[in-house]
Amino acid sequence: DGGITQSPKYLFRKEGQNVTLSCEQNLNHDAMYWYRQDPGQGLRLIYYSQIVNDFQKGDIAEGYSVSREKKESFPLTVTSAQKNPTAFYLCASSPSGAASTEAFFGQGTRLTVV
Amino acid sequence: AQTVTQSQPEMSVQEAETVTLSCTYDTSESDYYLFWYKQPPSRQMILVIRQEAYKQQNATENRFSVNFQKAAKSFSLKISDSQLGDAAMYFCACIFNFGNEKLTFGTGTRLTIIP
Repeated sequence: DGGITQSPKYLFRKEGQNVTLSCEQNLNHDAMYWYRQDPGQGLRLIYYSQIVNDFQKGDIAEGYSVSREKKESFPLTVTSAQKNPTAFYLCASSPSGAASTEAFFGQGTRLTVV
Repeated sequence: AQTVTQSQPEMSVQEAETVTLSCTYDTSESDYYLFWYKQPPSRQMILVIRQEAYKQQNATENRFSVNFQKAAKSFSLKISDSQLGDAAMYFCACIFNFGNEKLTFGTGTRLTIIP
């Protein structure tokens, strides 16, 4: 089955630690995105990548980092610099240059700082 | 700034009735794409319906239809014959710039279906 897989589903982090969220897709999509979801704030874009080895900051990139070494993978690292990392994180992908096409989303990772 | 606004944090509707969810947006672009996504309790985002701004005809998908008013920058979602499975968060979203296909989301409307 084609789709996007995020892991783990739940993640706990101690303050001061970095943690990496995984996102893998087998849809052959060029573009991948990371969103953060908080109650009452909808989804906000953290980072996006339109092609391998290239990525751009979204609206709330501070305290996060990404890499895009393979087309299928777009991991997100939440660093200790992120002041309020507890949130629900969603990864998405879409064909590049096809604005009318729907974005496909993973099932999300719930990150909690303890 | 390009923004999407959903002014109804919560809505409820009787089963089998019709409900309309509101969405407004702000952009100086003349061409863009608008979407409604559904997020059920599983938190999986599901595309409900999409609308190209250059098309005057309102999009329809079975029980879901939109009222797109370009001049007013309004994009409301109508759900007819509401079913229990329609209970979810609904997000209005827009791609304002075709070069990167970034989605800009509203804050969502939580829809409750009353049996």
